[in-house]
Amino acid sequence: AQKVTQAQTEISVVEKEDVTLDCVYETRDTTYYLFWYKQPPSGELVFLIRRNSFDEQNEISGRYSWNFQKSTSSFNFTITASQVVDSAVYFCALSLYGSGTYKYIFGTGTRLKVLA
Amino acid sequence: NAGVMQNPRHLVRRRGQEARLRCSPMKGHSHVYWYRQLPEEGLKFMVYLQKENIIDESGMPKERFSAEFPKEGPSILRIQQVVRGDSAAYFCASSPPILLWGTDTQYFGPGTRLTVL
Repeated sequence: AQKVTQAQTEISVVEKEDVTLDCVYETRDTTYYLFWYKQPPSGELVFLIRRNSFDEQNEISGRYSWNFQKSTSSFNFTITASQVVDSAVYFCALSLYGSGTYKYIFGTGTRLKVLA
Repeated sequence: NAGVMQNPRHLVRRRGQEARLRCSPMKGHSHVYWYRQLPEEGLKFMVYLQKENIIDESGMPKERFSAEFPKEGPSILRIQQVVRGDSAAYFCASSPPILLWGTDTQYFGPGTRLTVL
């Protein structure tokens, strides 16, 4: 089976708290890509990060960091010192090759509410 | 370089009418994908097209839905005889040719929110 599970439906934190959004994926492919997208209340999808299956280095970008662990098939996303503007739905996606391109499989999303 | 364009951003239709959603990919992108996001859910793949060809339509409902990407002009997702269950956000994404650019990143448009009354 190929799927992405975001078990946390909704998370509420107070501003300046750190928060981690979980993402667990399933695939038998050895080559794949993982993504995180942000969907603010306005509705568009904002690309945050892309990681290929051969690169397990963790990445930090400002207040955002990602922890990729193939051993547990997880690609978790941490926001440090959260801000109200971080309030959005966050989607994790798995990209698999087939039919000459990569097809995305999205998780159901985690709604993050950051309270002032 | 303009991003992926979708129009209209909001579309209201009555049951039984037709809905036509348009997507203009980023310049230089020849691959177009359509996804549907039902309320409170993640995006689900519908169809993948290249110019004048449907490559993978495994996510498209068998009836009433069709997609095209003509040689000239935008990609069109058409929904005939809409029903209330078609109310959703429809996202288009585009990507460059995989072999040429060696990347798979899809760039998403802002979406079209379809409401069926």
